[in-house]
Formats: sequence, C-alpha cells, structure tokens
Amino acid sequence: GQQVMQIPQYQHVQEGEDFTTYCNSSTTLSNIQWYKQRPGGHPVFLIQLVKSGEVKKQKRLTFQFGEAKKNSSLHITATQTTDVGTYFCAANTGNQFYFGTGTSLTVIP
Amino acid sequence: SQTIHQWPATLVQPVGSPLSLECTVEGTSNPNLYWYRQAAGRGLQLLFYSVGIGQISSEVPQNLSASRPQDRQFILSSKKLLLSDSGFYLCAWRPRPVTEAFFGQGTRLTVV
Repeated sequence: GQQVMQIPQYQHVQEGEDFTTYCNSSTTLSNIQWYKQRPGGHPVFLIQLVKSGEVKKQKRLTFQFGEAKKNSSLHITATQTTDVGTYFCAANTGNQFYFGTGTSLTVIP
Repeated sequence: SQTIHQWPATLVQPVGSPLSLECTVEGTSNPNLYWYRQAAGRGLQLLFYSVGIGQISSEVPQNLSASRPQDRQFILSSKKLLLSDSGFYLCAWRPRPVTEAFFGQGTRLTVV
C-alpha cells in the first residue's frame, strides 16, 4: 500500500508552546486530509488540502500542502490542553484510503 | 443526516473463537466502506475496503475477512482469532465522489 509517514511519532509540549507534525508521501498526492483522534475516541476530519502550496487556517491550526504535493504539515500555535490527541494525515489512491503513522500530542499544563 | 453504527463497543474473546463485527451506515447510498485496525498507541492500518455490494479488497493478508451483503452493511469476520488480532477496529465510510471519511465509534477487541 501507499506509504505515508509522519514525524514525530510523539510530542510533549508545555501548554502555550507551538506544535508541528509533518507528513511525507513517497508519491505525488491528489489531495491530503488531516484528522484528529482524541484519546479513546475515533478519528474526526479536520480539513482537506487539494492545491499545490495550499495553506489553510482553522483558528490556531495552520495546514500546508507542499509545492510538489508530496508533503504536508499541521502547525498548532499556543497549544492548549484541548489539543491533546493523535493527529493523522490521510491520502487516497483511487478508492484506497491510507492514514499516516500519526503524531501523538501531549500538552503539559 | 448520515450516521454510522458500529458494534459492539468492546469485546473480549478467547483465542480460537470466531469474530463478527458489524457496521451499518444510514442516510446515504453506495458509500465506500473501510475497516481499519489500530494497535495500542499506533497508527491506522487499512484492512479492507469496499466500493459496492459483494466487492471487497483486502490490503493485508491475515486471519480476517470482510463481507458487504448489503449496500450499507460491512462485516468483519474471523473463523479463529489469534492473540495478535487484539486491537481497536474502526469502520469508516466515504461518500461518492470520495471526500472526507466518517468513522464509527470503534470496537475494542481483546483476545485472551
């Protein structure tokens, strides 16, 4: 299957610090999606990026799609305890839908 | 509105016993359906996906099988569970044309 790698695997930050997770694909992507999974919960859709170099913002979250459409990033400014969870990028090849390895974020109050 | 139901929420099964997890979607037709497994603290592994009734694509050779007997029903099965089958199983659907995925609440399976 398609390889979609994410780094880092884990990240611990003090509340108020920034956080970034990176997603890298071995192939060019038609689009990329981001999901958040709270501890014990199921993944919930955050956003989809389609265009090369696209940047989208949701409050403190900034999503970027690389110019070559092979990588993406999610940046959270001034983390809060409500940001705790695992963040996944996801990409599809036809009808197959693959998730990245995920980055688990812990926010220390 | 569309909803997805997945049950049971938790399951403890002995090694060698059969498994049947069911997932149904309401409020949509002809969705793409997916089964994922998530080991503790790990990522989501795509197990099976289906684009229509009776159409199943397997991603990983393993002890599991899937079936789609109706348009909005997706079943994950095993004839004999292994310890390594333990994990968090998630069903998801995507509308056509494919956009975001919507997940069920998941089933936490422990094989003992």
